Amino acid sequence: AQRVTQPEKLLSVFKGAPVELKCNYSYSGSPELFWYVQYSRQRLQLLLRHISRESIKGFTADLNKGETSFHLKKPFAQEEDSAMYYCALRALVGGKLIFGQGTELSVKP
Amino acid sequence: NAGVTQTPKFQVLKTGQSMTLQCAQDMNHEYMSWYRQDPGMGLRLIHYSVGAGITDQGEVPNGYNVSRSTTEDFPLRLLSAAPSQTSVYFCASSYGLSHEQYFGPGTRLTVT
Repeated sequence: AQRVTQPEKLLSVFKGAPVELKCNYSYSGSPELFWYVQYSRQRLQLLLRHISRESIKGFTADLNKGETSFHLKKPFAQEEDSAMYYCALRALVGGKLIFGQGTELSVKP
Repeated sequence: NAGVTQTPKFQVLKTGQSMTLQCAQDMNHEYMSWYRQDPGMGLRLIHYSVGAGITDQGEVPNGYNVSRSTTEDFPLRLLSAAPSQTSVYFCASSYGLSHEQYFGPGTRLTVT
């Protein structure tokens, strides 16, 4: 079964601390993986995708096929990073996007 | 370029009532989809469409109908609303299956 798991509902850190939002997936094949972000009162938007291997707003995520993980990391959290983060998987057959439960990141001053 | 628009923003229904949530996009995207967002459940796919005249079920389709008569519009119909359908509904679109999905602002629906 295709599934995305984000084990943390809420992650609270202080400004300047490192952040790691966990994402594990189950999929029999080579999926595409994404991180989406929803800031307060804004619509959901793409943060990054594993194919592009880029850093957006200081965030990076590495696909680890052995551990079936796609954790989102940032070395120094900022208050403006506070948001809801969703990990998502897209099956190459069918193309449906499957989301995890979401992790709320709260960065305190 | 308005992107993905949804109406209404808020709606309160009584159990058994029917209504249609509207979704439109002006980006000539072929792929459109509807999700519901519930606390602790993330976003779950309700229905999707890969082009005009083609729709398919997602993860939680029961109680919802869709149609895609034009490329631009993808309405979601609740035939007989139930309290379990209280949620925030998001519409999304993309050029194709392998492209970035753009989301609408959402519709907050409460069924009493």
